[in-house]
Amino acid sequence: GIQVEQSPPDLILQEGANSTLRCNFSDSVNNLQWFHQNPWGQLINLFYIPSGTKQNGRLSATTVATERYSLLYISSSQTTDSGVYFCAVKRSGGSNYKLTFGKGTLLTVNP
Amino acid sequence: GAVVSQHPSWVICKSGTSVKIECRSLDFQATTMFWYRQFPKQSLMLMATSNEGSKATYEQGVEKDKFLINHASLTLSTLTVTSAHPEDSSFYICSARDLWAYTQYFGPGTRLTVL
Repeated sequence: GIQVEQSPPDLILQEGANSTLRCNFSDSVNNLQWFHQNPWGQLINLFYIPSGTKQNGRLSATTVATERYSLLYISSSQTTDSGVYFCAVKRSGGSNYKLTFGKGTLLTVNP
Repeated sequence: GAVVSQHPSWVICKSGTSVKIECRSLDFQATTMFWYRQFPKQSLMLMATSNEGSKATYEQGVEKDKFLINHASLTLSTLTVTSAHPEDSSFYICSARDLWAYTQYFGPGTRLTVL
């Protein structure tokens, strides 16, 4: 199956700092989503971004499908940004819609 | 929009009992729903894909007789953990795919503790 690798596994920031999270995948995809899992376990959709660039407030994401990676940028980080960030992908082709998750990046933003 | 609910949010049960977890898409139709399991400090692992009106498709290694899935309507899927044992204790999360999109939306999860 498709492999999804996220880096770094852990990241500690001071409030106000910027960060970049990376997601590499091993095959062509037609779905890539970034999620934030909050301390209560809820997964919050950040971006649906199989290709291109999107921005939403302090967050932005870029997927370069031809090079099989995606980046999530967090600017001016806040303590509420803390949690685990997951990248999940669906391989192109096939008739199912299964997402394969990376292992996540644990972000801690200190005041 | 695109809200998925789960009920209950947490449950504690005795070993040997069965537990049913409901997953509902509140404001959209979902022909496909997914059930995941997540252990502490780990990623989500897909257990099964649930299609409305047909049998669920289970991932390799998931016991279909232990984890019964029913997708009775375009807005409701249920997961029943039968004869639960302590090793079934975990965080169970469902997701629903919008009928007209690839995007999956996730429920808040159900924390199951089997004593």
